[in-house]
Amino acid sequence: DTAVSQTPKYLVTQMGNDKSIKCEQNLGHDTMYWYKQDSKKFLKIMFSYNNKELIINETVPNRFSPKSPDKAHLNLHINSLELGDSAVYFCASSFSWDRGLDGYTFGSGTRLTVV
Amino acid sequence: KNEVEQSPQNLTAQEGEFITINCSYSVGISALHWLQQHPGGGIVSLFMLSSGKKKHGRLIATINIQEKHSSLHITASHPRDSAVYICAVKKYSGGGADGLTFGKGTHLIIQP
Repeated sequence: DTAVSQTPKYLVTQMGNDKSIKCEQNLGHDTMYWYKQDSKKFLKIMFSYNNKELIINETVPNRFSPKSPDKAHLNLHINSLELGDSAVYFCASSFSWDRGLDGYTFGSGTRLTVV
Repeated sequence: KNEVEQSPQNLTAQEGEFITINCSYSVGISALHWLQQHPGGGIVSLFMLSSGKKKHGRLIATINIQEKHSSLHITASHPRDSAVYICAVKKYSGGGADGLTFGKGTHLIIQP
């Protein structure tokens, strides 16, 4: 299946821990993203990355860091987890805007609960 | 004020009704997306628009770049259309890797 797959689907962890969420796409897209959906269901961009640039939303704490071993993967590492980090995190991918191609695809989300 | 505003926030309608969801934005954009999020949480991209109109099945999306406004229409609505519909824009920044900026979504319920 062609898709954006992210793991795990659910993650429950204690405050202060370090955790990672993995994301992989096999769609041939050249840009990948991480989005956060808060308790009010509002989505916000955290990072976007292609092989030329990493764009970081300035409101994202530096405890969050993206790691991209190759074009098909963009993992999210979170250090020293806090209660306020609890949210649903969505990975997504697309063709870069300047290629003018459609195909924005989201992963199924990772529900992170920090206790 | 959010850069992307949607209306209405909530909409309940009867099966078969014609549905319109509106989106206004206040920034320069290179593209506008309509997304659908079902109660299970998954997000699906319905349309990407940079001008004019697109149609897919019972769904129609239009955009007016001069007025900075887009609409999503659903014809012959069905209970399975019940979902949150989210308008999102790619701001024109000249970069290739920028993410989307989202509206707060319209929660649509279609009753049988």
